[in-house]
Amino acid sequence: RKEVEQDPGPFNVPEGATVAFNCTYSNSASQSFFWYRQDCRKEPKLLMSVYSSGNEDGRFTAQLNRASQYISLLIRDSKLSDSATYLCVVNRNAGNMLTFGGGTRLMVKP
Amino acid sequence: GAVVSQHPSWVICKSGTSVKIECRSLDFQATTMFWYRQFPKQSLMLMATSNEGSKATYEQGVEKDKFLINHASLTLSTLTVTSAHPEDSSFYICSAPLLGLTYEQYFGPGTRLTVT
Repeated sequence: RKEVEQDPGPFNVPEGATVAFNCTYSNSASQSFFWYRQDCRKEPKLLMSVYSSGNEDGRFTAQLNRASQYISLLIRDSKLSDSATYLCVVNRNAGNMLTFGGGTRLMVKP
Repeated sequence: GAVVSQHPSWVICKSGTSVKIECRSLDFQATTMFWYRQFPKQSLMLMATSNEGSKATYEQGVEKDKFLINHASLTLSTLTVTSAHPEDSSFYICSAPLLGLTYEQYFGPGTRLTVT
């Protein structure tokens, strides 16, 4: 079983749609969780950290369920510029090492 | 914000040659840096942890004699791919955590290596 699993997609959605991505992680000792965005041939960029209480940043909402070891990202009112690969990232144990999920590809179409 | 640079951004080399990639933290010190490799349509895989002043820690399956890592200073880590082969062609990315900020890391722009 992979440490961090994501549906690879692609998710093809029209502009304005709401789309949700899910992620599961296997290491119950993980303490920090993130969503990164990666554009083609570019480095990953931090989209948002994920907190137990859930957090929102504009059109993006992240949720964490520690009991189920499940993380989600909701994007509302999708824009063309949201097209990218979204990476679910979990820290490894209590250190600084990150484990990346395989990524979920999103394509927003006009 | 914090910036990490990599050089070169892309490189083409012949089989059997060695290639050095530099990773620099531009406005902060990094006692630890991480090196990742990403093959097409795959996610980032951690190769090794670069530690300033000590040996790098390699992930299982990564050959330390092939991928030489030197953390020369608090702002520079280098990855040398020795005797490169076409299967080493990949996107190599480094990252560095900000001291004092738990788990937040900044990524370099990556180096695309093509071995012919």
